[in-house]
Formats: sequence, C-alpha cells, structure tokens
Amino acid sequence: AQKITQTQPGMFVQEKEAVTLDCTYDTSDPSYGLFWYKQPSSGEMIFLIYQGSYDQQNATEGRYSLNFQKARKSANLVISASQLGDSAMYFCAMRERGGGNKLTFGTGTQLKVEL
Amino acid sequence: EAQVTQNPRYLITVTGKKLTVTCSQNMNHEYMSWYRQDPGLGLRQIYYSMNVEVTDKGDVPEGYKVSRKEKRNFPLILESPSPNQTSLYFCASSLSRGNTGELFFGEGSRLTVL
Repeated sequence: AQKITQTQPGMFVQEKEAVTLDCTYDTSDPSYGLFWYKQPSSGEMIFLIYQGSYDQQNATEGRYSLNFQKARKSANLVISASQLGDSAMYFCAMRERGGGNKLTFGTGTQLKVEL
Repeated sequence: EAQVTQNPRYLITVTGKKLTVTCSQNMNHEYMSWYRQDPGLGLRQIYYSMNVEVTDKGDVPEGYKVSRKEKRNFPLILESPSPNQTSLYFCASSLSRGNTGELFFGEGSRLTVL
C-alpha cells in the first residue's frame, strides 16, 4: 500500500483565492511527522510546514496551514491568498519514528496560480 | 549559514564512466541520505547513513554506492552509470535516529547519462 497518497496530479487556482492540496497517509507507527515541501521549477526542495502526530493543534506558517485529521489519516495543505509565486510542485511526506528516519514522499501535485 | 551542499549541480556523462556526487553538511547532523526524483514517482530513497561508518540501503539502491568516513560528508558513487540513472538527485540531513523532524535538503544535482 502507498504510504503517502496525493490524488491531484494538477490543480489550478486563481490569484488571491485559497486552495487545498490533498494528502492521505498510511502508518501503524504512533509517532510520525508529516511535511509539505514546495518545489519550484528551479528544482530545490523548500520546506513549508510540519505536523507531529502528537500535536494537538493544526500547524500554521504564514499563508500555509495543515489541516490534520488524524482519524482519517489526512494532512491537507491549505494555501490562503494564492500568489503567482506559489505555482510549483508540492510534495506531502511522512517520517515515521520506526522507519529508519526515512522521509517517504507522495507523487506530488502541480499547482498553477492564474491571474 | 546552515546548509547542505551538493556538487556538481548539473552533469552530463556517458554510460559506464564512474562518477561521484559529493554532499556536505555543516550542521553536525548524524543522519544523511540520498534521494532520486523521477517524474510521476516523487522522491525515493537510495541510501542513508545513521552516523559515521553506518550506511544502509533505501528503496532503490541498485547501481549506487555510498560511504560515510566523516560526519559531514556523504558522497554518492555511480560505478558504472546507465541511462536509467538519469534523474534529479537530492542529498539530505537531519538530527539522529528516531527524529521525526525536518530533513534539510541540498539544492539537487541533475544527472544525465547518455
């Protein structure tokens, strides 16, 4: 079974609108971390936001928030007030405590922000 | 500045010509790893290292070697590159075992094998 599933290969959003990128995960480890990374066309991996499995509140970082629903095993990224510079590939990833520190990635969602 | 540095950033080579991609981090991290990124597949782990002289295979280790002689360096070696190793490679590091926190990435090395 896929550990991280991103079902949206591509998304379009209009500038200034909010957008939600979906991510579901699969683990039996009680201790894990969930991440979102942004990859612009230049190729580097930019860390956006982190949610620990024991965190009670949803993580937020500026315009980014992570909608963490533990029982549903989902960790959706919400970008508010989209900007043209948000156009990029977005990866959801998970790191399990018992997983040898490995970060397991989803296949990514290509987001395009339009005027 | 805390960083992970990879070299070269871009490389075109031919089948069978041995090459090494270097990776160095200045954060005193115990854990280092290599990933490759291919379209539609996301990033997949090649090898990782928990500390000096401790390395282990990831999900796609075939055709690669690594070494960890010093804490800061973790080179990726392709003894006999083949076209299916054409990919974007990332080195990453973090604090020690059991950590579920952030992995710090290098800027990536784009390799083409002809």
